[in-house]
Amino acid sequence: AQKITQTQPGMFVQEKEAVTLDCTYDTSDPSYGLFWYKQPSSGEMIFLIYQGSYDQQNATEGRYSLNFQKARKSANLVISASQLGDSAMYFCAMTPSSGGSYIPTFGRGTSLIVHP
Amino acid sequence: DAGVTQSPTHLIKTRGQHVTLRCSPISGHKSVSWYQQVLGQGPQFIFQYYEKEERGRGNFPDRFSARQFPNYSSELNVNALLLGDSALYLCASSLYSSNQPQHFGDGTRLSIL
Repeated sequence: AQKITQTQPGMFVQEKEAVTLDCTYDTSDPSYGLFWYKQPSSGEMIFLIYQGSYDQQNATEGRYSLNFQKARKSANLVISASQLGDSAMYFCAMTPSSGGSYIPTFGRGTSLIVHP
Repeated sequence: DAGVTQSPTHLIKTRGQHVTLRCSPISGHKSVSWYQQVLGQGPQFIFQYYEKEERGRGNFPDRFSARQFPNYSSELNVNALLLGDSALYLCASSLYSSNQPQHFGDGTRLSIL
């Protein structure tokens, strides 16, 4: 069974500062993908960044980077230069890549509040 | 290009009733997934369909069913509604069923009285 753990229910950061949102995972699948999504108060879920389990380098997308430590089974999201619009819920998710049925798993989320 | 569209936006039902939620994926996307999101929690996976075939099923009772049509749109059906079915139901589409970023709709907020 897969499991995603996000231990920080809430995080606060000053505008223009960097912030790290933690995500640890557990799976027996040798091949998997890790995702981060943002959900503002309006409700829509927005894809931010993807990391494959066999990718050698950490993924980056603009101000977002994923600190992937496979041995520790962690996939932390780093947001650089926080903006007020970054205030939202952030979800870490995992999907298996190997055969069999497709069942993605999401964490409980971290609420990020950016202060001016 | 239009994003993922879901209908209706809001729905109020009573216990024991049946509900059908609809989803149109992004043009060209062949995979549709359904999620249930209860307030304060992350999305829980219900189903994934790819090319009209079920590719994944989450831990939900048989009261939940879905299907995908030839135009790749999808319906989620829930029978014998319970108070605990009150949630935001999210539909997401992707090009394929494997590791692809999912594009979510705005959801259908279902309230059971």
